[in-house]
Amino acid sequence: EAGVAQSPRYKIIEKRQSVAFWCNPISGHATLYWYQQILGQGPKLLIQFQNNGVVDDSQLPKDRFSAERLKGVDSTLKIQPAKLEDSAVYLCASSLLLGAYEQYFGPGTRLTVT
Amino acid sequence: KQEVTQIPAALSVPEGENLVLNCSFTDSAIYNLQWFRQDPGKGLTSLLLIQSSQREQTSGRLNASLDKSSGRSTLYIAASQPGDSATYLCAASGSARQLTFGSGTQLTVLP
Repeated sequence: EAGVAQSPRYKIIEKRQSVAFWCNPISGHATLYWYQQILGQGPKLLIQFQNNGVVDDSQLPKDRFSAERLKGVDSTLKIQPAKLEDSAVYLCASSLLLGAYEQYFGPGTRLTVT
Repeated sequence: KQEVTQIPAALSVPEGENLVLNCSFTDSAIYNLQWFRQDPGKGLTSLLLIQSSQREQTSGRLNASLDKSSGRSTLYIAASQPGDSATYLCAASGSARQLTFGSGTQLTVLP
């Protein structure tokens, strides 16, 4: 079974530029999550999708971050414009269904904003 | 709001030693608790998931326990090996079914 795929693996941009990350979850997984992990901290949930609907985006900085999950499969997370404090690893995870099921994580995208 | 704390932040042990990693959470109304492993530059690998109705889960040399009343979980690693070196994260799934992570314990097993 293929795991969660993410691209790119690394990205360096200057502040005020825009950037987009892509995630392909495990086949058949209805729930998809985007997390931000700042160095030395645990991941923090940004947004959670169930199929192509948003379940929770309460911690997503909506003035600069956006995410979509078209057709309930792949997802993209965008930052525009980026700030220095956005430097982090962005992790995508998926689970079969909401709640009690294990979440499976992708390798992440390491973003550096200079 | 759920808060998860992991102590210690870093731990170094000689190979072969048994060890315990600690995780505490503030809201006892959790749905489940998961332990993850994170290797440098890699994503998270799920190790064990304990449902709120369970007391413990075991997988190979790993055993995780859950005590909701005291807001604590422990991860026990038996006969540690250098390959166990990684950061271990615990995460609690609360009433909103979202994972709240601790900051992790960075484990180094010395050969």
